[in-house]
Amino acid sequence: AQKITQTQPGMFVQEKEAVTLDCTYDTSDPSYGLFWYKQPSSGEMIFLIYQGSYDQQNATEGRYSLNFQKARKSANLVISASQLGDSAMYFCAMSYSGGYQKVTFGTGTKLQVIP
Amino acid sequence: DTAVSQTPKYLVTQMGNDKSIKCEQNLGHDTMYWYKQDSKKFLKIMFSYNNKELIINETVPNRFSPKSPDKAHLNLHINSLELGDSAVYFCASSQGLGQQASEQYFGPGTRLTVT
Repeated sequence: AQKITQTQPGMFVQEKEAVTLDCTYDTSDPSYGLFWYKQPSSGEMIFLIYQGSYDQQNATEGRYSLNFQKARKSANLVISASQLGDSAMYFCAMSYSGGYQKVTFGTGTKLQVIP
Repeated sequence: DTAVSQTPKYLVTQMGNDKSIKCEQNLGHDTMYWYKQDSKKFLKIMFSYNNKELIINETVPNRFSPKSPDKAHLNLHINSLELGDSAVYFCASSQGLGQQASEQYFGPGTRLTVT
């Protein structure tokens, strides 16, 4: 069965430092997509970055990069130069096909940026 | 110019009542979703519609009935509300299916409290 695991319930990072949020996944489907979302305390869900299972290069979006290691089935999110506004819950998610789009979310990591 | 909108934002009601949450997207996406986020922030997909057709129906009590009058709308009706239904319900939309699907855009959420 498809599954997303985020083993870090909470993390702290100093402002301006880089931080890595872990995500591992499990699927037997060769075709899948991996996503990261941010949920600030205000509650909205914000898309950050996407990696397709066939993409050769790691995805990057501004200060966000996805460290995709297919053999290890990991898709860690790296945030560089952390800012106070990065304090939020971060969710890793996977979409997989079989003809339809199913999506599974991890349990989330609460990141707190310390000034 | 809101992309995905939900109404109401807050809903407080008594056990046994029937209520509806409405969702509309103006992104031209062909797939829409309902998620439930519980008090521990766990996000679980409930339903997914593609071009008004139900494609995912997770193990959700049949008191929950989605309705998609057109591609841009996906409403959620809940009968005989129970205390355990208290949660935040998110509507989302995306373009495409399976691994080729784009990221999901989320609505602001509806916080349902059943007393």
